[in-house]
Amino acid sequence: AIQMTQSPSSLSASVGDRVTITCRASQGIRNDLGWYQQKPGKAPKLLIYAASSLQSGVPSRFSGSGSGTDFTLTISSLQPEDFATYYCQQDYNYPFTFGQGTKLEIK
Amino acid sequence: QLQLQGSGPGLVKPSETLSLTCTVSGGSITSSGYYWGWIRQPPGKGLEWIGNIYYTGSTYYNPSLKSRLTISVDTSKNQFSLKLSSVTAADTALYYCARTMGSGSLFVYWGQGTLVTVSS
Repeated sequence: AIQMTQSPSSLSASVGDRVTITCRASQGIRNDLGWYQQKPGKAPKLLIYAASSLQSGVPSRFSGSGSGTDFTLTISSLQPEDFATYYCQQDYNYPFTFGQGTKLEIK
Repeated sequence: QLQLQGSGPGLVKPSETLSLTCTVSGGSITSSGYYWGWIRQPPGKGLEWIGNIYYTGSTYYNPSLKSRLTISVDTSKNQFSLKLSSVTAADTALYYCARTMGSGSLFVYWGQGTLVTVSS
């Protein structure tokens, strides 16, 4: 199975900050990667698909980049509603796998 | 708007079988190009993909669960189901049902999650 490793595991930031989360795949996955946001008690919400495409309805402050094994999720200017846990997921091949998550907390 | 609603017992005894059903509304489970999946999340932990099914009945399972897992679809009821046998405390989790995008296998629509606790 392809292992997905996120860093950092947790991150403290302030409203207005620019934040970057990294996801590394244990083998090349082209651009078959998505990013999800999960808030406490809620199901995950898809933010980014195909590594860099913004899902409909997602604010443009979210962006994704990368290809092959290294990917990033960037939030250009943090808003209060962005404090949550973020997961990457590869859909390159079965079994699909998720990163361990990055918890974004208010500084 | 597509909605998924998971249902099933919230408490299962060790060694027994966990059974969950996901009912789809606002759309057809036979829509071409979409896969229906199960994902779980142990309390306070990350997400684990369990398996996917296509409306034709084709299934794709996580090898770590494959020997205990059955996912099925009932197109007449617009439902798909999960059965996980010989459960242990390690199977305690919030179980989500979800639907993929039309291209690729990322999950766009999610149910609310069903908490299943394995305990005697």
